[in-house]
Amino acid sequence: KNQVEQSPQSLIILEGKNCTLQCNYTVSPFSNLRWYKQDTGRGPVSLTIMTFSENTKSNGRYTATLDADTKQSSLHITASQLSDSASYICVVSLNNNDMRFGAGTRLTVKP
Amino acid sequence: NAGVTQTPKFQVLKTGQSMTLQCAQDMNHEYMSWYRQDPGMGLRLIHYSVGAGITDQGEVPNGYNVSRSTTEDFPLRLLSAAPSQTSVYFCASSYSGTGADEQYFGPGTRLTVT
Repeated sequence: KNQVEQSPQSLIILEGKNCTLQCNYTVSPFSNLRWYKQDTGRGPVSLTIMTFSENTKSNGRYTATLDADTKQSSLHITASQLSDSASYICVVSLNNNDMRFGAGTRLTVKP
Repeated sequence: NAGVTQTPKFQVLKTGQSMTLQCAQDMNHEYMSWYRQDPGMGLRLIHYSVGAGITDQGEVPNGYNVSRSTTEDFPLRLLSAAPSQTSVYFCASSYSGTGADEQYFGPGTRLTVT
C-alpha cells in the first residue's frame, strides 16, 4: 500500500471553477510536504512546500493546507485556467531525507 | 542557465541491449537522483548521489548502474534492458538533498523495451 495516497485519481472541471485535491499520508516522522505540478511530457515543478508546523501555504491561485494531526493535506486551486490541466503530485519528505511520492491527481480543465 | 537536462527524450531498445541515459545540471548542486515513473504509481528512486564520487541505491536499483565523476553529470546505465524497465525516467538535482531544498527535475526520458 502506498504511504502517500492521493484522491481523486482524475478530475474534470470547467474553466473558472475551483477544485480541491486531497493527499493522505501514513509516513512519519516527516520534515516537509510538497505539492508538484507536472505538465504532460515534462518533469514535476514545485508549487508549495510546508514543514510539519505550517498549516497553509499559497502560491498565486494555489493554496496548500496541512493537518499534521490527521496526516492530510489538500491543494486548492482557485479560478481554474486551461493551463492548470496537469498532474498534481503530493510528496512527503521524511526526516532521513527519504521522499515518498503520491501517484498524482490528473486534472483536466475544460473551456 | 539550462537547469537539468536529459538526453535522449525518447528511446526504444530491444531486450538485452544496453544504453546510457544522460543527465546534466548547471546549478552546482551536490545532490542528484534518478527516478522512474510508471502509470498509477508515484515516482520511485533508483539511485542517488550526494556528491562527485559518491553514489547509493534507492528503492528500485536492480538492473541499473550509476557513476558520478563530476558535479554536473549523473548518467544512468541500463546493463541489459528488460521489458519491465519500460518507463519514464527523470533525473533531479538539489543543493543538498535534505528535502528542505528545492528539487529540480529534468524533462524526462521515455524508454520502451520490446
